Amino acid sequence: EPEVTQTPSHQVTQMGQEVILRCVPISNHLYFYWYRQILGQKVEFLVSFYNNEISEKSEIFDDQFSVERPDGSNFTLKIRSTKLEDSAMYFCASPELDSEPTANYGYTFGSGTRLTVV
Amino acid sequence: KNQVEQSPQSLIILEGKNCTLQCNYTVSPFSNLRWYKQDTGRGPVSLTIMTFSENTKSNGRYTATLDADTKQSSLHITASQLSDSASYICVVRDNYGQNFVFGPGTRLSVLP
Repeated sequence: EPEVTQTPSHQVTQMGQEVILRCVPISNHLYFYWYRQILGQKVEFLVSFYNNEISEKSEIFDDQFSVERPDGSNFTLKIRSTKLEDSAMYFCASPELDSEPTANYGYTFGSGTRLTVV
Repeated sequence: KNQVEQSPQSLIILEGKNCTLQCNYTVSPFSNLRWYKQDTGRGPVSLTIMTFSENTKSNGRYTATLDADTKQSSLHITASQLSDSASYICVVRDNYGQNFVFGPGTRLSVLP
């Protein structure tokens, strides 16, 4: 079964520092998503990425955030200057079938990176 | 505003019992509705996906229903097991974008 791999599983960083979260989506897929979940709250959409470009982003995804595909397979989510409120689980997700976004296919989520900002 | 609400917020049942979780949504126009299971500290795992024309869909001991007219869905778990302890999240997609609207989840605890 295809997997989505995220690293690190847990990252602790000081407020104001930059962090980079990494994800390896299902192989060769063009669509890719980042979500976050603050402890005890619901999952929130951050950004979707298609064919090396951001296709949609939420209000949460401000100038502090950026997403890249540095080497054609890995995806990264960068937070430039972390704030305490950035502490959350960050999930990447990849569609099970790499087709149009309105298709009714399933999504595979990674196991997440727990970011703790102190 | 597109919203997904779930009830109850949390539920405790004994092993072997059945339970039903509810989801109400205001997402429009509707594309599909998904139920996910999320173990603590893990990513969500898909259980079912239902489109407008589907009323019921089963996946093992999980059965999801959808009433697109009233914008309600339910997830029924039969013969619960300890491993069913998790959060169950209802997610609705609209027909415009790629975004999903997540519900807050129902925290299910199955006790021996």
